[in-house]
Amino acid sequence: NAGVTQTPKFRILKIGQSMTLQCTQDMNHNYMYWYRQDPGMGLKLIYYSVGAGITDKGEVPNGYNVSRSTTEDFPLRLELAAPSQTSVYFCASTESRQGNTGELFFGEGSRLTVL
Amino acid sequence: GQSLEQPSEVTAVEGAIVQINCTYQTSGFYGLSWYQQHDGGAPTFLSYNALDGLEETGRFSSFLSRSDSYGYLLLQELQMKDSASYFCPMNRDDKIIFGKGTRLHILP
Repeated sequence: NAGVTQTPKFRILKIGQSMTLQCTQDMNHNYMYWYRQDPGMGLKLIYYSVGAGITDKGEVPNGYNVSRSTTEDFPLRLELAAPSQTSVYFCASTESRQGNTGELFFGEGSRLTVL
Repeated sequence: GQSLEQPSEVTAVEGAIVQINCTYQTSGFYGLSWYQQHDGGAPTFLSYNALDGLEETGRFSSFLSRSDSYGYLLLQELQMKDSASYFCPMNRDDKIIFGKGTRLHILP
């Protein structure tokens, strides 16, 4: 199994450009999450989804959008990129709200720079 | 309201034992997890406490007291590779909320 796969791993954007970070998981997990992590800081929840067709805002949703058309995929879209969105983005998934072990499976991260 | 508190930094000596505390305040609490993150990497799962008590996994143990809204991660026989950041995210309703984490420095 590949687990959680994020693409791209690195990207440089110009201010005002848009892009989509892709996230796919092959574990049939219902719960998926997008986090951002600024240097030396913790992870902040952007959006999450509890199943196909259902998404909800996290702690820092402004400037982002998500969709969940399938169980496997949970793309994150940045509209009108701003320097404040320079960060490392992590996608994660888990089996259920409580889960058997509470384990979140993370992708390797996508490093985004907005200039 | 909701809050999650951890010390920002902890320093310990190689071979010693260190405890990283975590206090939280939230409604709809389901459990407390612990994750390790090395610089440049993704967080990796260490343990999960849904019920009160101690969970042991090798050199790592995690404790939860729901009545005190408190938990800790205990690392024994510290090794240099344990130098990392440690997080205790809250499982709150459908959200998993991470705090700022604790940076663990290991001295030789």
